[in-house]
Amino acid sequence: DADVTQTPRNRITKTGKRIMLECSQTKGHDRMYWYRQDPGLGLRLIYYSFDVKDINKGEISDGYSVSRQAQAKFSLSLESAIPNQTALYFCATSGGNSNQPQHFGDGTRLSIL
Amino acid sequence: GQNIDQPTEMTATEGAIVQINCTYQTSGFNGLFWYQQHAGEAPTFLSYNVLDGLEEKGRFSSFLSRSKGYSYLLLKELQMKDSASYLCAAGRGNNLFFGTGTRLTVIP
Repeated sequence: DADVTQTPRNRITKTGKRIMLECSQTKGHDRMYWYRQDPGLGLRLIYYSFDVKDINKGEISDGYSVSRQAQAKFSLSLESAIPNQTALYFCATSGGNSNQPQHFGDGTRLSIL
Repeated sequence: GQNIDQPTEMTATEGAIVQINCTYQTSGFNGLFWYQQHAGEAPTFLSYNVLDGLEEKGRFSSFLSRSKGYSYLLLKELQMKDSASYLCAAGRGNNLFFGTGTRLTVIP
């Protein structure tokens, strides 16, 4: 079983719809992250959380929200999806220090029509 | 700022050595990570440097010069399976800032 699991793996939806992407982990890590990846732009941080009570905005948080329901779960929501949010989304986890590598899920490919 | 620069594409021959460079201008820098990403898959961790010098891990080595804001990833004895994107990421505070990645193609 994967240590970091994202659902769904693929999603096609329409402009204006609310979408939730889910991430769960079995690594026991406190830190969790959501990124999006676009061709030519690399990975960009949307939100991150260091424990259940901690939520922080990343580089590109506008249009997104998150919920850290438990240590193992971190979900990303698009309240009203727009086409330029079409991207590959990755969840990641890491241990408690900044020198710890991040471990990524397999990604969610999201297309907004 | 957090400008991370690396070449967009490189091509190398099976069995050869290739060096992928990365420069960064990250304030509050606290370490440099390299990740490998095969097309359509998740990035996977390769190496971490926080002090100047070379870190070797089998066929892969990574070098850091903090004073120059420069790192490289060295891949030896290239194999076809090494064809992938290689992502340079600079740590700043509690976050990572990623470059756009270098797509490496290994040819026979």
